[in-house]
Amino acid sequence: NAGVTQTPKFQVLKTGQSMTLQCAQDMNHNSMYWYRQDPGMGLRLIYYSASEGTTDKGEVPNGYNVSRLNKREFSLRLESAAPSQTSVYFCASSRGTGANVLTFGAGSRLTVL
Amino acid sequence: LAKTTQPISMDSYEGQEVNITCSHNNIATNDYITWYQQFPSQGPRFIIQGYKTKVTNEVASLFIPADRKSSTLSLPRVSLSDTAVYYCLVGDLEAGNNRKLIWGLGTSLAVNP
Repeated sequence: NAGVTQTPKFQVLKTGQSMTLQCAQDMNHNSMYWYRQDPGMGLRLIYYSASEGTTDKGEVPNGYNVSRLNKREFSLRLESAAPSQTSVYFCASSRGTGANVLTFGAGSRLTVL
Repeated sequence: LAKTTQPISMDSYEGQEVNITCSHNNIATNDYITWYQQFPSQGPRFIIQGYKTKVTNEVASLFIPADRKSSTLSLPRVSLSDTAVYYCLVGDLEAGNNRKLIWGLGTSLAVNP
């Protein structure tokens, strides 16, 4: 089973460029999340989607947009990249009820010059 | 949600048992304790979850005293491949509450030959 798949794994952007990080899960999970991880800081939630058709802001949503395309896919878009958005981005999913354990993707390392 | 406190780093040797303790003084009645493991360049991975007393799976054991204000993750006979960062998180299992989880810096475990 693939679990949570993120693309691309690496990306270099120039300031002001836009890009979309893609995430797909094959576990029939209801909830999906986007986190960023920076040195010296814990994982911080950018956006989440409790269920298909809904999205909500997390702790650090500024500069990002998301789309819950269907139950499987949850994309993160940077409209105008800034150096402060250089980070490792993780997509995660959870069943949404019960044990509610998070399953993470392998991460996408983004560098904004 | 309850904030957790755990050591920043620990050192061990192959074959030893490692115990990582996490403090969560403000744990609420409905909160569960969940531990994740993260290897470099990978997303966090679920290890174990518990509510009270002792939980054991094929990877680790989780000890939770009666007052639930702390918990201890026990890794039996560690190997070099257990070198990773370990995160302790506290929260209830209701749908949507993953978005409130506070991810600290975790405990960086180094296993030496």
